[in-house]
Amino acid sequence: EIVLTQSPGTLSLSPGERATLSCRASQSVSSSYLAWYQQKPGQAPRLLIYGASSRATGIPDRFSGSGSGTDFTLTISRLEPEDFAVYYCQQYGSSPPFTFGQGTKLEIK
Amino acid sequence: QVLLQESGPGLVKPSETLSLTCTVSGGIVSSGGYYWSWVRQPPGKGLEWIGYIYYTGSTNYKSSLESRVTISLDTSRNQFSLKLSSVTAADTAVYYCARLRRGVGYFDYWGQGTLVTVSS
Repeated sequence: EIVLTQSPGTLSLSPGERATLSCRASQSVSSSYLAWYQQKPGQAPRLLIYGASSRATGIPDRFSGSGSGTDFTLTISRLEPEDFAVYYCQQYGSSPPFTFGQGTKLEIK
Repeated sequence: QVLLQESGPGLVKPSETLSLTCTVSGGIVSSGGYYWSWVRQPPGKGLEWIGYIYYTGSTNYKSSLESRVTISLDTSRNQFSLKLSSVTAADTAVYYCARLRRGVGYFDYWGQGTLVTVSS
């Protein structure tokens, strides 16, 4: 099973700052199969990034994804108040087909 | 705009079967290109994929849950369902239905989720 480890567990930043979230895989993941989601309290996850770097429909361009192999990054260039949430990475592989990271909580400093 | 809505009991007794239905609007469960999936999230914890069904009826389940899970499709009602048998407190979670894009493996539409508590 491919394990995704996200870091940091909690990230405390202020609006306007840049956020860098990491997702590390226990085995190589095809870039085509790495996605990022945002989840706010009481809401379902929302797809942000797919294919490691492609923004989903309606996602602002301050969100960007990068990486390959075992190391992937989600960057939020300038934090807006609505960006404070929990972020999950997810991979599509072999067995089991789908695993998620444990999440990074982005909180207001 | 594709909308998914979960429905079912919010309380299930230990050892019984959890049953949930997902009603899809704005999309057709009998069309190709998508897997119709279930994902759960225990309170305060992360996300866990449970399984999916394709319009052909083929299914794929997480191996650790496979002996207890059944996902089925009702194309006449544009719905798909989850049954999880022999539940324990560890199955208490918010259960989400979601659409999964075939071939690229990401979940592009999600239901709002429904909390199922396993308790006597």
